[in-house]
Amino acid sequence: EAQVTQNPRYLITVTGKKLTVTCSQNMNHEYMSWYRQDPGLGLRQIYYSMNVEVTDKGDVPEGYKVSRKEKRNFPLILESPSPNQTSLYFCASSPPGWDRVAEEAYNEQFFGPGTRLTVL
Amino acid sequence: QKEVEQDPGPLSVPEGAIVSLNCTYSNSAFQYFMWYRQYSRKGPELLMYTYSSGNKEDGRFTAQVDKSSKYISLFIRDSQPSDSATYLCAAMDSSYKLIFGSGTRLLVRP
Repeated sequence: EAQVTQNPRYLITVTGKKLTVTCSQNMNHEYMSWYRQDPGLGLRQIYYSMNVEVTDKGDVPEGYKVSRKEKRNFPLILESPSPNQTSLYFCASSPPGWDRVAEEAYNEQFFGPGTRLTVL
Repeated sequence: QKEVEQDPGPLSVPEGAIVSLNCTYSNSAFQYFMWYRQYSRKGPELLMYTYSSGNKEDGRFTAQVDKSSKYISLFIRDSQPSDSATYLCAAMDSSYKLIFGSGTRLLVRP
């Protein structure tokens, strides 16, 4: 089954304790991305990666790190978590979509199930 | 000002009603517009996308973009309780990045 998986699904931790949230996709997608979702703020992009070894900052990268050593995996690292990083996190991946009618690229992202992180 | 604005709702309608969900955006460079549906405790899933202005229909769903007024709409005909979810509009800029609205929660009452 084609999917994006995230682990763990739920995590409660304490301030300053390093953690990693894993993300893996089995669709051979080039583009992967991390979002956080907060009430009233919607989905905000943290980091994205256009391909292996290529990563870029999104809108809210402070306090996060990512790596893309393999095409299928895109882990999110919080070196020193703080309470303001308590959120719902989504990983997403997408193929290089091409609209034949408009002859334009578009971005259909497939989302993982989410990781609910609480930092005390 | 956020680049994509969306009324958070909640919007409550009876089964069978026509639902209208709307967003506005500020960046004239946006070319692709999408609607994602997110059920509780799940990740968003792509519902529809449209390129530039115009309408696109898929079953009970119609997506509409008016670039002159920077307005994005999603219409749901014959709404069902299973349509109850949060609907997120999104726009894509030239860097291939998606900018999301904050989502509108829809409740369809049986």
